[in-house]
Amino acid sequence: DTAVSQTPKYLVTQMGNDKSIKCEQNLGHDTMYWYKQDSKKFLKIMFSYNNKELIINETVPNRFSPKSPDKAHLNLHINSLELGDSAVYFCASSSSVYEQYFGPGTRLTVT
Amino acid sequence: AQSVTQLDSHVSVSEGTPVLLRCNYSSSYSPSLFWYVQHPNKGLQLLLKYTSAATLVKGINGFEAEFKKSETSFHLTKPSAHMSDAAEYFCVVTADTGRRALTFGSGTRLQVQP
Repeated sequence: DTAVSQTPKYLVTQMGNDKSIKCEQNLGHDTMYWYKQDSKKFLKIMFSYNNKELIINETVPNRFSPKSPDKAHLNLHINSLELGDSAVYFCASSSSVYEQYFGPGTRLTVT
Repeated sequence: AQSVTQLDSHVSVSEGTPVLLRCNYSSSYSPSLFWYVQHPNKGLQLLLKYTSAATLVKGINGFEAEFKKSETSFHLTKPSAHMSDAAEYFCVVTADTGRRALTFGSGTRLQVQP
């Protein structure tokens, strides 16, 4: 039973395309997150949703838009992909501030 | 504001010898501190957490960390390294301000030599 799952695991696409990454958690958590890990392994928060409400929206281009249809899902849609968007994107969930559970990551490559 | 500094980007040890990964933190609030591990091409796994209870925290796989407020440190240790410990380790801080955002350090790559 996968706690936090992401699809796809790998995504290769061309500049200018629009793509989505899906995230689902079956832990019953009320808060979900998107993090970006760059080529130097640095991880940074992008967005956070609590009970379908956006509570964190860091300095991220408007081309990135999170969507939370329900508490168990947080999808990330990216418009007009750029080379610099290439990274590994991690979804996470938590029921408190103390512990977050991470998905396996989605490696996005923009060519 | 909060931040963490991992003092070593790369640590190399021999199998069976002790491991020390250093982390200093800064936080305007009472912090919660974590160590996460990331094996190659894998997601992040929580090793251990400090949440204002005991200052010496034991985690999985024989790792432990000690919260030292006077030194603003949260170093990760293990008495005897195993080959399977080779991975990237992240020190993480958060504060219960309602935002629930984790702030990651830059990571320390642990290499274990046979």
